[in-house]
Amino acid sequence: DAKTTQPTSMDCAEGRAANLPCNHSTISGNEYVYWYRQIHSQGPQYIIHGLKNNETNEMASLIITEDRKSSTLILPHATLRDTAVYYCIVNGAGSYQLTFGKGTKLSVIP
Amino acid sequence: GAVVSQHPSWVICKSGTSVKIECRSLDFQATTMFWYRQFPKQSLMLMATSNEGSKATYEQGVEKDKFLINHASLTLSTLTVTSAHPEDSSFYICSASGDFSYEQYFGPGTRLTVT
Repeated sequence: DAKTTQPTSMDCAEGRAANLPCNHSTISGNEYVYWYRQIHSQGPQYIIHGLKNNETNEMASLIITEDRKSSTLILPHATLRDTAVYYCIVNGAGSYQLTFGKGTKLSVIP
Repeated sequence: GAVVSQHPSWVICKSGTSVKIECRSLDFQATTMFWYRQFPKQSLMLMATSNEGSKATYEQGVEKDKFLINHASLTLSTLTVTSAHPEDSSFYICSASGDFSYEQYFGPGTRLTVT
């Protein structure tokens, strides 16, 4: 699976959009981009995933660049409960395995 | 939907004893289950993958005789830490996938402290 690079930490003001970047320059054609988050001392929570098209669900939006070498997770109106470590994971189609990197620690500030 | 539970949520055991952690999929059939370990301020590390009715596949460096995994039904997997040592103290997290997608649904985790 391709390696991902994320900033170590980010701050976001409550109520503002949080934009979390992820670089995956070695992604191959059949690999998906997954986003999970982990609130302190809890199990990870699935957020969203995509292949090449932008995706949106009730939690977030995922914007994938045309060359697929990077993506951005957008939390449209961050709340204090969104404070967590966010993991961007690239995973091959048909593969269950997830390899967690260090992720981005997002702090939402009142 | 897609809820995964773990029991216990935390456990303290003495060095040399064994401890069993249960992972259950509550509202779906989990054909594949995963066990992860997370040390403080570190990321999740996959320990093993198990398919119902089959032997687990362990990641490199994980002792299969020490971390016994049983996936006897489509809703239950267990991890037994045998002859626990203080260095086994960690946060153990399971996840499960069903036939309906490749998404993994994670349990809340079990914090193990070995004294």
